Amino acid sequence: QQQVKQSPQSLIVQKGGISIINCAYENTAFDYFPWYQQFPGKGPALLIAIRPDVSEKKEGRFTISFNKSAKQFSLHIMDSQPGDSATYFCAASESSSGSRLTFGEGTQLTVNP
Amino acid sequence: DTAVSQTPKYLVTQMGNDKSIKCEQNLGHDTMYWYKQDSKKFLKIMFSYNNKELIINETVPNRFSPKSPDKAHLNLHINSLELGDSAVYFCASGGSGGNEQFFGPGTRLTVL
Repeated sequence: QQQVKQSPQSLIVQKGGISIINCAYENTAFDYFPWYQQFPGKGPALLIAIRPDVSEKKEGRFTISFNKSAKQFSLHIMDSQPGDSATYFCAASESSSGSRLTFGEGTQLTVNP
Repeated sequence: DTAVSQTPKYLVTQMGNDKSIKCEQNLGHDTMYWYKQDSKKFLKIMFSYNNKELIINETVPNRFSPKSPDKAHLNLHINSLELGDSAVYFCASGGSGGNEQFFGPGTRLTVL
């Protein structure tokens, strides 16, 4: 049972464009929703995270939009740069169950110069 | 000043062997995790320890055994390695509540 579904699987964006990655979850007990960025040969790095009491969080060029009723959240990368080319993972966790992260399948983002 | 470190970075071994992966964190966190990333890059929790106590044990073959000598270290022992164990294994640590998790650089295990 895939509890966090992520789309698209791959995304190609031109430099300066907006990259949008979407995730949907099933478990309404999830209370923490992070996004991770992973470069080849490296570990996932925490990019930005949100809790369900807010609908949006922005950090620099990265914004999370959260829709609790639809059980969906998305990552928006504004002014995408070639250096943003990486695999992005959404995740969710439930504080009461040891905070294990349940990950989406990942999105391979390529930003063309 | 590495936050979460793992050794070795690469591990190539024969089927049937026993191997260990070590993890250390200097963030002062109470909770540590092991995740497995398969060939399709899918990440899945394996184990979690809080203050040296096992709190999460997903459906993982009992050939895999985590050991936590202290709260800064969480090692992973794998017995009787199989071809299907080939993957990248990530250690992570989390602070109070464990929500913010920081990952190590990973260990790429290849079983021949």
